[in-house]
Amino acid sequence: QVQLVESGGGVVQPGRSLRLSCAASGFTFSSYGMHWVRQAPGKGLEWVAVIWYDGSNKFYADSVKGRFTISRVNSKNTLYVQMNSLRAEDTAVYYCARDRGFYDTSGFQVGYSHDYWGQGTLVTVSS
Amino acid sequence: NFMLTQPHSVSESPGKTVTISCTRSSGSIASNYVQWYQQRPGSAPTTVIYEDNQRPSGVPDRFSGSIDSSSNSASLTISGLKTEDEADYYCQSYDSSNPVVFGGGTKLTVL
Repeated sequence: QVQLVESGGGVVQPGRSLRLSCAASGFTFSSYGMHWVRQAPGKGLEWVAVIWYDGSNKFYADSVKGRFTISRVNSKNTLYVQMNSLRAEDTAVYYCARDRGFYDTSGFQVGYSHDYWGQGTLVTVSS
Repeated sequence: NFMLTQPHSVSESPGKTVTISCTRSSGSIASNYVQWYQQRPGSAPTTVIYEDNQRPSGVPDRFSGSIDSSSNSASLTISGLKTEDEADYYCQSYDSSNPVVFGGGTKLTVL
């Protein structure tokens, strides 16, 4: 069965960095795009970033562009997000999620959704 | 950028039917698939509807999805409500400029 297990969360001071990991199992990791989605305490879901199955394309939410970097190591079945210059508003539970993509007739990905989610890891940015 | 607007909360009694709406602010709701996610308290989201009206295996047929081009909205309908359906529900879609857009979420109370 598909399993996604996030790790690396914790308390970090504003301006510092943190790297989250997501260990995947139960499917061919190298065949799927992957996302990070976050949820601030008591708030709704906010998409953070997506990376294509082979790492060739990455897209980010405006709120994290230039500060966060999504990456993957397919040989390790692991997804990452490097979070720099952290702010209080980055405080959230961070979920990794597998992509269920939508493709045009030429095979180019034109849309994204999520079919499986991890349980999340909490990041608290506070002095 | 477009937005997906959902009611903050809905409530209904067990056994009844409830519908949660998701209205797209710009662009056609029919142009891009809509998904619905359920998030029970303290848990991660799970998919209950994908591609407007498809149910993943394991999701009961009490859950159904639809789109209405006239109101530019999508709807999630849950019939035969059970207390276990009490959760937050999020719609999600995309377009060529926005890979993923979530609605603000709707809290369903089954009382």
